[in-house]
Amino acid sequence: DIQLTQSPSFLSASVADRVTITCRASQGITTYLAWYQKKPGKAPKLLIYGASTLQSGVPSRFSGSGSGTEFTLTISSLQPEDFATYYCQQLHSYPLTFGGGTKVEIK
Amino acid sequence: EVQLVESGGSPVQPGQSLRLSCVTSGFAFSSYSMHWVRQGPGKGLEWLSYVSSDSSTMYYAASVKGRFIISRDNAKKSLYLQLNGLRAEDTAVYYCAREIFGSGTYIWQWGQGTLVTVSS
Repeated sequence: DIQLTQSPSFLSASVADRVTITCRASQGITTYLAWYQKKPGKAPKLLIYGASTLQSGVPSRFSGSGSGTEFTLTISSLQPEDFATYYCQQLHSYPLTFGGGTKVEIK
Repeated sequence: EVQLVESGGSPVQPGQSLRLSCVTSGFAFSSYSMHWVRQGPGKGLEWLSYVSSDSSTMYYAASVKGRFIISRDNAKKSLYLQLNGLRAEDTAVYYCAREIFGSGTYIWQWGQGTLVTVSS
């Protein structure tokens, strides 16, 4: 099974900060990686697919990069509505897996 | 408008069974593969199961294989998950998701979820 390791698991930041979250895969997954934002009581919101393609309607402050085993999600200027938990997901092979999550909280 | 609406979640006792449904609209259901994912209280997202558009292929996570059964009815545009032998650790919000293959990769659309609580 492919393991996804997200870091950090918790992040405290201020509005307007630049935030970077890393997702490492235990084996190569080319660019079969997605990033989601999850808020309590809400469905996961797709932010990035194919490792770097911004989903329609998602603000351009979100960006994704990487391929193979190393991926990053960057929020260029954190906004109040961005405080949430973020998950990466590999869609390369079954069983599909998610990273453990990164909770972004207000400093 | 694409819609995926889960239902069937409820409080149940350990060992009991439950059938979750995901009724869809706004797209050609029979052309798309579907998934179930869950999130337990205070836990991360966990992929559970996959079914191909024609039900010819199914996959399960090790944690539910042999207890959960995925199925679909293309005529009713509906996806199902039969949950058997429920345990306390199965307590979670269960989501269905539609898989779209585009731009050389997979893109998911999610429902809003249904809550299953397993407790004595």
